[in-house]
Amino acid sequence: GESVGLHLPTLSVQEGDNSIINCAYSNSASDYFIWYKQESGKGPQFIIDIRSNMDKRQGQRVTVLLNKTVKHLSLQIAATQPGDSAVYFCAESGGYQKVTFGTGTKLQVIP
Amino acid sequence: DGGITQSPKYLFRKEGQNVTLSCEQNLNHDAMYWYRQDPGQGLRLIYYSQIVNDFQKGDIAEGYSVSREKKESFPLTVTSAQKNPTAFYLCASSRAVMNTEAFFGQGTRLTVV
Repeated sequence: GESVGLHLPTLSVQEGDNSIINCAYSNSASDYFIWYKQESGKGPQFIIDIRSNMDKRQGQRVTVLLNKTVKHLSLQIAATQPGDSAVYFCAESGGYQKVTFGTGTKLQVIP
Repeated sequence: DGGITQSPKYLFRKEGQNVTLSCEQNLNHDAMYWYRQDPGQGLRLIYYSQIVNDFQKGDIAEGYSVSREKKESFPLTVTSAQKNPTAFYLCASSRAVMNTEAFFGQGTRLTVV
């Protein structure tokens, strides 16, 4: 079946550096791609989404890039802070279909 | 404050017993969802509901049941038919099923002994 997955299970980044979290997807029919952040012991929190007809979207300190040619999605976090330490999930949604989550990447920020 | 509340946070049950997990939201959202999360894994959809008195199976519905009698409530029952019920259960809601921004509860960690 269709799936969403991540390249790296754990990413360690020095505080102040930029972080890039990658995700590969296989369902080219998805309308939206979404990033969620999950802190330990808590539920996921919506960060940003991007529609399939866009290739870039910026939020506060975050940028999501979508490359439909290679079915690749990335989340860039500028000036990474200790509070950014969490597991990041990419997900995809196709209209009225359910949201499918990937397995997650753990981001560790080194002070 | 508006939000989505799951209770209890931790739950222990004996094998063979049914258990019901509570999920309440005051966000006036139409859509609600139940996900299961196992250690080191992503979220897998158990059931979702687009509107009151309607719900659909997700990817791993076997051994689970839900009801949606009220807009704000979407309880999940883990039955004895669920072969591996120990997991972290997350409830979420969104304005509609096609809305990408879902709001999650804090989760219930169920341990079956």
